[in-house]
Amino acid sequence: QLQLQESGPGLVKPSETLSLTCTVSGGSISSSSYYWGWIRQPPGKGLEWIGSIYYSGSTYYNPSLKSRVTISVDTSKNQFSLKLSSVTAADTAVYYCARLQLEWLLSYYYMDVWGKGTTVTVSS
Amino acid sequence: SSELTQDPAVSVALGQTVRITCQGDSLRSYYASWYQQKPGQAPVLVIYGKNNRPSGIPDRFSGSSSGNTASLTITGAQAEDEADYYCNSRDSSGNHLHWVFGGGTKLTVL
Repeated sequence: QLQLQESGPGLVKPSETLSLTCTVSGGSISSSSYYWGWIRQPPGKGLEWIGSIYYSGSTYYNPSLKSRVTISVDTSKNQFSLKLSSVTAADTAVYYCARLQLEWLLSYYYMDVWGKGTTVTVSS
Repeated sequence: SSELTQDPAVSVALGQTVRITCQGDSLRSYYASWYQQKPGQAPVLVIYGKNNRPSGIPDRFSGSSSGNTASLTITGAQAEDEADYYCNSRDSSGNHLHWVFGGGTKLTVL
């Protein structure tokens, strides 16, 4: 059974860089059928897609965050990572990683496996 | 980028049927997926594609789509269905693999 686990610091200072890693177990991150993504949820608010990556390293980012986001993949470790620079209090959120299914022929796009999420607080 | 619009809150009597809707231009091109989120938990996929349920999702959950509107229907709502529900789709603006979420609907089961 595929599982995703987020890890990283729970507290980040303003103006610094938030760094999180998602470890994939029970399956290979190098499968051609999936993208891998980061989603966040500020306290009491809705979900926001941050960005996605393919095992080859191809990335897509939310335009509203693109200037500050970098997502990378390490296939040897079955992990992908998120870096968000110049953080402010507005970046305080639960950060989730997820597997993104793309069934091109059917135009089905969905996120079928999620990690439990990790809370990141931006504060001095 | 596209936007998806959901009603902030909906209520349903126990055992009755409720429909949660999601509107947006991207839904004219791509199917919505629906996620259930209970307090303190990660979202769970409940419907994807035309009307598909992942393994383990009760068959009282169903999905439909027409024009720019996607709907999640719960037929015979149970107390455990009380949760936040989010729709999601691929963004249709531009030739990019971007994703967009609706603002979420809080479902109360009375």
